[in-house]
Amino acid sequence: DIQMTQSPSSLSASVGDRVTITCRASQSISSYLNWYQQKPGKAPKLLIYAASSLQSGVPSRFSGSGSGTDFTLTISSLQPEDFATYYCQQSYSTPPTTFGPGTKVDIK
Amino acid sequence: EVQLVESGGGLVKPGGSLRLSCAASGFTFSSYSMNWVRQAPGKGLEWVSSISSSSSYIYYADSVKGRFTISRDNAKNSLYLQMNSLRAEDTAVYYCARGKSSGFYRNDYWGQGTLVTVSS
Repeated sequence: DIQMTQSPSSLSASVGDRVTITCRASQSISSYLNWYQQKPGKAPKLLIYAASSLQSGVPSRFSGSGSGTDFTLTISSLQPEDFATYYCQQSYSTPPTTFGPGTKVDIK
Repeated sequence: EVQLVESGGGLVKPGGSLRLSCAASGFTFSSYSMNWVRQAPGKGLEWVSSISSSSSYIYYADSVKGRFTISRDNAKNSLYLQMNSLRAEDTAVYYCARGKSSGFYRNDYWGQGTLVTVSS
């Protein structure tokens, strides 16, 4: 199975900051990488699919990049509603699809 | 509007059984694969099972294989997860999620989740 790692596991940031989260796959997954946002007590929400495609309705301050094994989610200017946990997911080798362990973004 | 609503969670003793349901609306249910994904308290997301649109292809995580059964009823726009021989480590919020596979597979809609607690 393909293993996913994320760094950092958590970070503290201020409103307006540029935030970058990294996801790494244990083998090449081309661009089969999705990003989700999850707020406490809520279901995950798809933000980015195919590494860099913005899901409909998601603000343009979110962007994704990368291919192969290394990927990045960037929030260009952090907003109060962006404080959440972010997960990457590989869909290259499915099943099983695998998620990263998550990165929690909280208020500095 | 796409909606997925899970039900059937609750408290069950180890070794017991539970059947989860997911009612879908707002889209052509029979055209999409569906998934169950779970999240143990304070932990990350774990894929549990997938079923193709016509039930031709069914997959399970190793952790639930032989104990859980996924199924769907396209006439009722419903997805199910029959869980048998439950263990403490199956305690989690269970989400149903739609699979969209136009090129790159992703889970584009999720239900609100239903909590399963396995405890004596």
